Amino acid sequence: AQSVTQLDSHVSVSEGTPVLLRCNYSSSYSPSLFWYVQHPNKGLQLLLKYTSAATLVKGINGFEAEFKKSETSFHLTKPSAHMSDAAEYFCVVSDTGGFKTIFGAGTRLFVKA
Amino acid sequence: NAGVTQTPKFQVLKTGQSMTLQCAQDMNHEYMSWYRQDPGMGLRLIHYSVGAGITDQGEVPNGYNVSRSTTEDFPLRLLSAAPSQTSVYFCASSYSVDRMNTGELFFGEGSRLTVL
Repeated sequence: AQSVTQLDSHVSVSEGTPVLLRCNYSSSYSPSLFWYVQHPNKGLQLLLKYTSAATLVKGINGFEAEFKKSETSFHLTKPSAHMSDAAEYFCVVSDTGGFKTIFGAGTRLFVKA
Repeated sequence: NAGVTQTPKFQVLKTGQSMTLQCAQDMNHEYMSWYRQDPGMGLRLIHYSVGAGITDQGEVPNGYNVSRSTTEDFPLRLLSAAPSQTSVYFCASSYSVDRMNTGELFFGEGSRLTVL
């Protein structure tokens, strides 16, 4: 069975400082892993995805994530936060076909001026 | 391309009423799905479909029905609404399973449902 745990429900950073959003997953086979972002009252947008190619994945808006199989982690990082990054972020695990897609509970990112 | 379109964006129902949330996509995606989003719980899969005429249950299917008569449309029906179904509902679609389906989902903007 698959599962996803986002280790922080809220993260607060100052503008210009690094962002780290943590995600651990559990899967009985080689999963696909994703990060999605949701701005207030909007749908979800794909930030980046890992699908068994390079373990360091670069996404949009300067975000990247590293797949670490030994730690079953897929943490999301950004070197320098921007006010526009304030949103909710979801870590997602999926089987290859995408039929069984499991979302984490979400991490709300606050960015202080 | 409009992508994934959901209607209505907002709806208020009384307990026991029925309604249908509409979802349409114009990307020729075979896979479509419905999620509900509740605070602190992420998104939970209600039902999904891998093609016209094929549907299956997700994590939380009770109280909801779906059908898929065309590739483009995937409506979600609430037969007898309950306050526990107050939520934000998202429709999502994805590429054909015959291609390299990596599970990337394309979402609509959501439908906010309140059941009194």
